[in-house]
This record gives sequence, structure tokens and C-alpha cells, in this order.
Amino acid sequence: NAGVTQTPKFRVLKTGQSMTLLCAQDMNHEYMYWYRQDPGMGLRLIHYSVGEGTTAKGEVPDGYNVSRLKKQNFLLGLESAAPSQTSVYFCASSGPYGYTFGSGTRLTVV
Amino acid sequence: DAKTTQPTSMDCAEGRAANLPCNHSTISGNEYVYWYRQIHSQGPQYIIHGLKNNETNEMASLIITEDRKSSTLILPHATLRDTAVYYCIVRGGLGGSQGNLIFGKGTKLSVKP
Repeated sequence: NAGVTQTPKFRVLKTGQSMTLLCAQDMNHEYMYWYRQDPGMGLRLIHYSVGEGTTAKGEVPDGYNVSRLKKQNFLLGLESAAPSQTSVYFCASSGPYGYTFGSGTRLTVV
Repeated sequence: DAKTTQPTSMDCAEGRAANLPCNHSTISGNEYVYWYRQIHSQGPQYIIHGLKNNETNEMASLIITEDRKSSTLILPHATLRDTAVYYCIVRGGLGGSQGNLIFGKGTKLSVKP
């Protein structure tokens, strides 16, 4: 089925470790996004991309980097994980009629 | 993007209509009203959107007041599976170039048997 796929679904990191979250979409969407969601909160935008090779900061970009080397993929990197980055991360892409979200990555930093 | 105001929580009896209100008094003329929902820990799911006319699809109806300062999402026959957090979001245009989706805290709808 067409949609947005996130990997991994779960991950536990130690403080200071690095990791990359992968988002892939097969809808040929130009726009892609990374959000984080903390307990009891709405989603907050971390970074987004308006096309291959572009990235831009969202509401809470500190501590994260992103890359969009291919149109269908949007990577979110944590260079040195901190406990404050424990969260659920959602990727999304948008086309003419709205956003499609992935199923999320639950990240715990201990 | 305009801000929206929604009640924190609502209850609805199974089989009855669920009416979820949203205030967006600072909405601009070219901004659309979007509704998404998030079922426990899943990614948000698109429900419906509208500009100024009422809209209906297989999931829900959207009623927008004539002055566009408020709207109501209607789930005509709520089921237990409709228990979720519902987000009302205002943004310009349809495509991604018209601004990002900004999520508030939404309304937690609990459908009870």
C-alpha cells in the first residue's frame, strides 16, 4: 500500500549515542516533515523539506539534523542523544490534498 | 497560521453523533480548516478539510460558520473505534507550499458504550 514508512519502530539509546531515523514515501510528494510528540502534547515540527536536496528548521530543531538526498527519503539524525529527546517521532509527507503520516518511531534515551 | 481553540475533552455515546467544535477567529480568507485525528499512539489520520462551504465525506461532515470563525466536525454515528484525539488545524492552501501543519493539543473524544 502507498504511504509513509518509518524505520525503526522502536529504539533504546544510551545518552551520547547517535542514530538515524529513516522515512520513506512512495507517493512522489515534494514535501516531507519530521515531528516529535511528547506525552499529552500535540505534534511539534522538528525539520521539514520542500524538495530533494532542501531542508529547513521547524519549531524544535535543536539537537537534530536532517537530509533529503533522494526525493522519497527523509532522514532524521541525532548526533549525541539526550534523555530530553525521548519521544515518539512521526514522519509525514504532503501532496495536493493533505498530509500522510507514518506510524511512528518510539525512541527512549537512557 | 491562525490559532485554533478546542475543548480538551468530550464524551459521546456509541451510535450517537459526535459534534466537535473548533474556534478559529483569526482565520484569513485563504486559509483552510483541516481536521485530523490520532488514535492511540498511531500517526495522525486525515479526516476532512474545507474552505467556506460545508463538506462531507465517508468519514465525517464539516460545518463552517458563515463568518468562518468557527467550525464543527460531525461524526454521524460514533463507534468505539472513533475514540481518539481530534485536531482542528488552520493553514493556507492545499499543497505543502502553503505552510506547515501546526498541531495544538486537540480534543480527546471518548466514545462510550
